[in-house]
Amino acid sequence: EAGVTQFPSHSVIEKGQTVTLRCDPISGHDNLYWYRRVMGKEIKFLLHFVKESKQDESGMPNNRFLAERTGGTYSTLKVQPAELEDSGVYFCASSQAGLYQETQYFGPGTRLLVL
Amino acid sequence: AQSVSQHNHHVILSEAASLELGCNYSYGGTVNLFWYVQYPGQHLQLLLKYFSGDPLVKGIKGFEAEFIKSKFSFNLRKPSVQWSDTAEYFCAVNARTGRRALTFGSGTRLQVQP
Repeated sequence: EAGVTQFPSHSVIEKGQTVTLRCDPISGHDNLYWYRRVMGKEIKFLLHFVKESKQDESGMPNNRFLAERTGGTYSTLKVQPAELEDSGVYFCASSQAGLYQETQYFGPGTRLLVL
Repeated sequence: AQSVSQHNHHVILSEAASLELGCNYSYGGTVNLFWYVQYPGQHLQLLLKYFSGDPLVKGIKGFEAEFIKSKFSFNLRKPSVQWSDTAEYFCAVNARTGRRALTFGSGTRLQVQP
């Protein structure tokens, strides 16, 4: 069974540009999460999809971040325009729905550097 | 709000030494507890988890953790570390009901010297 995949693995952009990150969850997983780790800090939650609906977006830092999950399969996270402080590693995780004993499985992350 | 504290940021051990990494959490309700590991160049992997039942849980590669409810702790242990255990270890918690987001500690970087 394929795990969670993320694309690209690395992205280097200039301040003010737009970047779109993609996450493909494990097949059949309705829950999809985005997290971010800024250098030297802890991994922090950004948002949670259940199928195509945003269940919890309390961690989104500001309106420069837009997440979508059309059709309830893969998800994209767009940063527009990117700022220096957006640099970090963006992780995606997925889990099966409907279980209170759920385990989130993580992808390899996308390392974003904003210059 | 939930919070997780990992007291050791960087631990250096020799092979065969015993390991204990501390994790304390702050949350008013019932929680699920996790330890994840990130080996160099690899993605976050689940090491072990606690949902309910026996507070001593065993994970992969000889790791175990004990949930002590009265101390809000979930410390990770291994009796004898190997060079291949060199990695970063993360404690995480989420609520048993309601919000599903994981709250992570800051991570502990373990370096095992041969």
